Amino acid sequence: GESVGLHLPTLSVQEGDNSIINCAYSNSASDYFIWYKQESGKGPQFIIDIRSNMDKRQGQRVTVLLNKTVKHLSLQIAATQPGDSAVYFCAESVPLGKLIFGQGTELSVKP
Amino acid sequence: DSGVTQTPKHLITATGQRVTLRCSPRSGDLSVYWYQQSLDQGLQFLIQYYNGEERAKGNILERFSAQQFPDLHSELNLSSLELGDSALYFCASSDPLAGAETQYFGPGTRLLVL
Repeated sequence: GESVGLHLPTLSVQEGDNSIINCAYSNSASDYFIWYKQESGKGPQFIIDIRSNMDKRQGQRVTVLLNKTVKHLSLQIAATQPGDSAVYFCAESVPLGKLIFGQGTELSVKP
Repeated sequence: DSGVTQTPKHLITATGQRVTLRCSPRSGDLSVYWYQQSLDQGLQFLIQYYNGEERAKGNILERFSAQQFPDLHSELNLSSLELGDSALYFCASSDPLAGAETQYFGPGTRLLVL
């Protein structure tokens, strides 16, 4: 069935270090993936997206990597800051625009 | 600020009652999506409307219904409420006609059923 899952439910990093959050997806026909950041009490916030015809996309301090062979997605955050502390969700876009979300990884940044 | 607004921010009600949650999409977005976020189920897609018509359905209970109005705002109606309906309800919008699949989320409505 459809599912998107995360390998690590929690991640604790030191301020200034790089963070890597991983995600596995199961629908090989999906062609669009999104990472969202959700801070406590707020709605998911778009961070970065990638289409299946790419294997890497960079934003400001964030990079998304897509490995279609093993159906794996990762989000890399450079020089992690306390403001990056949040729950991060990967989402897979299936037909008609429906998003299937992973369960989320909580990132905690230690000062 | 995503540009998507939701009201009310918080809602406390009793079992058996009915509530209506409201969402205004970003200016120009024709699609509205509703999601439920609970501790044990994560973010679950409920339903999508596009320009006033239902487009896709997810794990939405029969006690729940939604609609999108001509001005593109949407309402999610939850009836015969049960304790297990307590959750965060998010609305998101996008403009797929413009080739934009990214969904932008509102701040959510926190529903507590007592």
